[in-house]
Amino acid sequence: GESVGLHLPTLSVQEGDNSIINCAYSNSASDYFIWYKQESGKGPQFIIDIRSNMDKRQGQRVTVLLNKTVKHLSLQIAATQPGDSAVYFCAENIGGSYIPTFGRGTSLIVHP
Amino acid sequence: DTAVSQTPKYLVTQMGNDKSIKCEQNLGHDTMYWYKQDSKKFLKIMFSYNNKELIINETVPNRFSPKSPDKAHLNLHINSLELGDSAVYFCASSSGITPGQYFGPGTRLTVT
Repeated sequence: GESVGLHLPTLSVQEGDNSIINCAYSNSASDYFIWYKQESGKGPQFIIDIRSNMDKRQGQRVTVLLNKTVKHLSLQIAATQPGDSAVYFCAENIGGSYIPTFGRGTSLIVHP
Repeated sequence: DTAVSQTPKYLVTQMGNDKSIKCEQNLGHDTMYWYKQDSKKFLKIMFSYNNKELIINETVPNRFSPKSPDKAHLNLHINSLELGDSAVYFCASSSGITPGQYFGPGTRLTVT
């Protein structure tokens, strides 16, 4: 689900499956990362964050994995539900900056 | 008790007009932002405003200007609207402690 090209990458899954959304970040100096969920007609909503001194963080049904070696971030959603259908963005921050850089976004479609 | 609110939700106007979008946050945050989201869902930072320090994305035309009457408000003024200004505009805010942002519901601007 990396965000390149003209079209929004799309991930289609069946309800109950696990989903993995990937993100490649650009700056090796980034030390704080956030995943946002944007439902149709709404603004992005914070889901989970992780600092660069960690490689894994778990929330409710969501897990974020960070691989600094290859500058890769992933969001895992367990037992995906139709309500998880949305566009998901990763964002990176460099220490001392309060201006994040957003990734391209991945559209998750959950089929009942 | 909406955290970040924007008005109007929809704005349809003709080329050449001047318009404003208002944003208010009741979270006590000290940093506010304006983003533009295009039809492909790409989120582009336009401005950030922190303790009277304005950081401008250099790619934003000077027809766009943010105005902050106080810490809880950051309005966006757009002069001489063009067709390419059509997009969804999001206001957001964050605290100085963590850069995670709270987004407003968005304003869909259509220039005809």
